Amino acid sequence: EIVMTQAPATLSVSPGERATLSCRASQSVSSDLAWYQQKPGQAPRLLIFGASTRATGIPARFSGSGFGTEFTLTISSLQSEDFAVYYCQQYNNWPPSTFGQGTKLEIK
Amino acid sequence: QVQLVQSGAEVKKPGASVKVSCKASGFNFATFGFNWVRQAPGQGLEWMGWISPFNDNTKHAQKFQGRVTMTADTSTSTAYLDLRSLTSDDTAVYYCARDHDSTGAMDVWGQGTTVIVSS
Repeated sequence: EIVMTQAPATLSVSPGERATLSCRASQSVSSDLAWYQQKPGQAPRLLIFGASTRATGIPARFSGSGFGTEFTLTISSLQSEDFAVYYCQQYNNWPPSTFGQGTKLEIK
Repeated sequence: QVQLVQSGAEVKKPGASVKVSCKASGFNFATFGFNWVRQAPGQGLEWMGWISPFNDNTKHAQKFQGRVTMTADTSTSTAYLDLRSLTSDDTAVYYCARDHDSTGAMDVWGQGTTVIVSS
């Protein structure tokens, strides 16, 4: 089973600033990596798939990068609605598909 | 519009079974795969399994071996998750989620079904 590790667990950033979230895989997942945003009481929302492709309707301030074992989600200028928990997921080697433990992005 | 609507909350006793439904609308149900993902209170996301309604092919996480059954009814565009021998550790919100273009990413999610296991 591929273990996904996200860092940091909590990230405090001011509105308007840039946020950088990391995700590491225990072995290569190629570019089979997705990012999700989840707000309290809501289902997750797909942001990025294929490591760097934005899903339909996702603003351009969200970008993903990386390949193999190291991945990054960058939010270029944080808006109030971006404060949430973010998860990465690998779907290269499954079952099982696996998620990271999440990064909580909070207002500084 | 494209959506997945799940069945309502359930309260079960330890040892019982639960069946959660996920009704699709706004797209061709049979041409997509569907995942089941759960989230225990205050915890992260856990992938449970996947089904293709096209050929009833399924895959699941090893930890659920022998306890989980996933089915799909193309006539009603509904996917089902059946989980048996429930324990308190199964208390969670259960989500169904559509495969994005067979990539493995999940682009449409149901609203979630809360399952509480308590004596």
